[in-house]
Amino acid sequence: AQKITQTQPGMFVQEKEAVTLDCTYDTSDPSYGLFWYKQPSSGEMIFLIYQGSYDQQNATEGRYSLNFQKARKSANLVISASQLGDSAMYFCAMSKNTGRRALTFGSGTRLQVQP
Amino acid sequence: DVKVTQSSRYLVKRTGEKVFLECVQDMDHENMFWYRQDPGLGLRLIYFSYDVKMKEKGDIPEGYSVSREKKERFSLILESASTNQTSMYLCASIPPGAKGQPQHFGDGTRLSIL
Repeated sequence: AQKITQTQPGMFVQEKEAVTLDCTYDTSDPSYGLFWYKQPSSGEMIFLIYQGSYDQQNATEGRYSLNFQKARKSANLVISASQLGDSAMYFCAMSKNTGRRALTFGSGTRLQVQP
Repeated sequence: DVKVTQSSRYLVKRTGEKVFLECVQDMDHENMFWYRQDPGLGLRLIYFSYDVKMKEKGDIPEGYSVSREKKERFSLILESASTNQTSMYLCASIPPGAKGQPQHFGDGTRLSIL
């Protein structure tokens, strides 16, 4: 079974600063993927970034980067230069890289960016 | 761009009613999923389908069933709605093949059971 833990229910950050959202995971699968999604107050789920378990380099997508530490089973999301529009719920999720690829989600972190 | 459409953004039903939540995707994806989202619990998998008429239970299937008669449409059915099924429901789909493909989500249905 897979498990995702997000220990920060809520986070505050000042506009233009960087913020790290924590995510740890547990799985016995050798091949898996880690995902981060953003959910604004309107409710839609927006895919941000993906990291494969065998990827050698940390994933980056614009202002988003994933700090992947496989030995520690952590996959923290780093948002650089925070913007007011980054205020949202953020979910860490994982799936196997084979088969049905259903996602297992963490409980989420609500990020509020302050001006 | 992939489009996953859920038939209703908001729905109010009464206890004991049979409720249908519809989801349609336009990209010929084989795998489709239904999740339920509750505060503090994140999203939890109810059911998924990997082909027409094929389905598998997720983590919390009790009180739900699904139907997939056509590849593009995946329906979630609450057989006899109860108040503890008041929640946000999200449908998703994913193409086959390459790892790293993200699931594409619909906008969600906020369901209230009175």
